Amino acid sequence: QKEVEQNSGPLSVPEGAIASLNCTYSDRGSQSFFWYRQYSGKSPELIMFIYSNGDKEDGRFTAQLNKASQYVSLLIRDSQPSDSATYLCAVKSNTGKLIFGQGTTLQVKP
Amino acid sequence: ETGVTQTPRHLVMGMTNKKSLKCEQHLGHNAMYWYKQSAKKPLELMFVYSLEERVENNSVPSRFSPECPNSSHLFLHLHTLQPEDSALYLCASSQEWRTTSTDTQYFGPGTRLTVL
Repeated sequence: QKEVEQNSGPLSVPEGAIASLNCTYSDRGSQSFFWYRQYSGKSPELIMFIYSNGDKEDGRFTAQLNKASQYVSLLIRDSQPSDSATYLCAVKSNTGKLIFGQGTTLQVKP
Repeated sequence: ETGVTQTPRHLVMGMTNKKSLKCEQHLGHNAMYWYKQSAKKPLELMFVYSLEERVENNSVPSRFSPECPNSSHLFLHLHTLQPEDSALYLCASSQEWRTTSTDTQYFGPGTRLTVL
């Protein structure tokens, strides 16, 4: 079992729709959870982090965490073509290491 | 300069060459990282330095040799690489290593390495 799992996609949504990106993790001791966006040929950039169960909203982005189910998700409302990228889920364990999933490619079609 | 910078941005080298990648962070962070990103694979942590001391070495072959002369600079020395080492090499920094859960890592633009 991979430590952090994401569906590689591509996930295709029409412009204006909600994009839902999911991530599961295996280490129950994980402390905090990060979403990075990576455009093709670029480096990852942090979108947001979450460490408490529930939802955290930042503009059009909402991160959702369910530690009991070992599940974290990212919702993107009103998706724009500029949101087309690979979204990386990263999980910080209690050892401090950041473990990345392989990423989900999102395509937002005009 | 702001954030995390890396040079060179692109590098092509033969298997017998020796080259170095450079990373500099302007964020006042104490921890720096080297990651390898290969196609269709997750980011792989290679090395971690905290206050210039190496604290993690994730079973990386000895043909990769890191150096951290101070908390702002990190190097990755390369020698006798293999074609499978071709990848995007990313440097990152964070405030501390192994502290607050929300301590986030910020990435440099990466060096695209091709080994012929």
